[in-house]
Amino acid sequence: DTAVSQTPKYLVTQMGNDKSIKCEQNLGHDTMYWYKQDSKKFLKIMFSYNNKELIINETVPNRFSPKSPDKAHLNLHINSLELGDSAVYFCASSRRGGTGELFFGEGSRLTVL
Amino acid sequence: ELKVEQNPLFLSMQEGKNYTIYCNYSTTSDRLYWYRQDPGKSLESLFVLLSNGAVKQEGRLMASLDTKARLSTLHITAAVHDLSATYFCAVDLARGGADGLTFGKGTHLIIQP
Repeated sequence: DTAVSQTPKYLVTQMGNDKSIKCEQNLGHDTMYWYKQDSKKFLKIMFSYNNKELIINETVPNRFSPKSPDKAHLNLHINSLELGDSAVYFCASSRRGGTGELFFGEGSRLTVL
Repeated sequence: ELKVEQNPLFLSMQEGKNYTIYCNYSTTSDRLYWYRQDPGKSLESLFVLLSNGAVKQEGRLMASLDTKARLSTLHITAAVHDLSATYFCAVDLARGGADGLTFGKGTHLIIQP
């Protein structure tokens, strides 16, 4: 009965390929996020969506395109993968106007060869 | 731009000892969060501190917030091996909005027998 679930958990792919990560939350939250955790464990926000509307789009290459079909789902599509894209991508959710606490998925480890 | 700094970034300590991790942030906020991350795992919420002077305790961990000093502490009492993990503090500028949290770099804690 996972609250925030991501698939896949592992991706290994070649440079230049395109890949997608899916995220779903069953907490009834209205805001979802993508965070990137690099090899030094530094966590940086990439995007946030509130009720399917893009709120935050940090300085992320255009190759990254989020999509939120509804407030329970947030997907991340990455085009033309580069070596530097290798990282763990975490999905998270929260309730706008709540405590601000984020609930994280298990992460998707992307390795670009 | 909000900066969140943790100190130390790496800590090796013996079981039974006490220690404190510090989290400083650069912009006024009264919302601070502590998370724990085990290797290869997700981020688990430990404490949510929502006002000046807030203090919360769970087992051997105690967190506090001083918004005037822009400082939070995570105190470990009589450390045990199971507390070995990376601990992150994070700050919310949007008071529960959809801006997400800004994280510190994490403190990698190793507790040795």
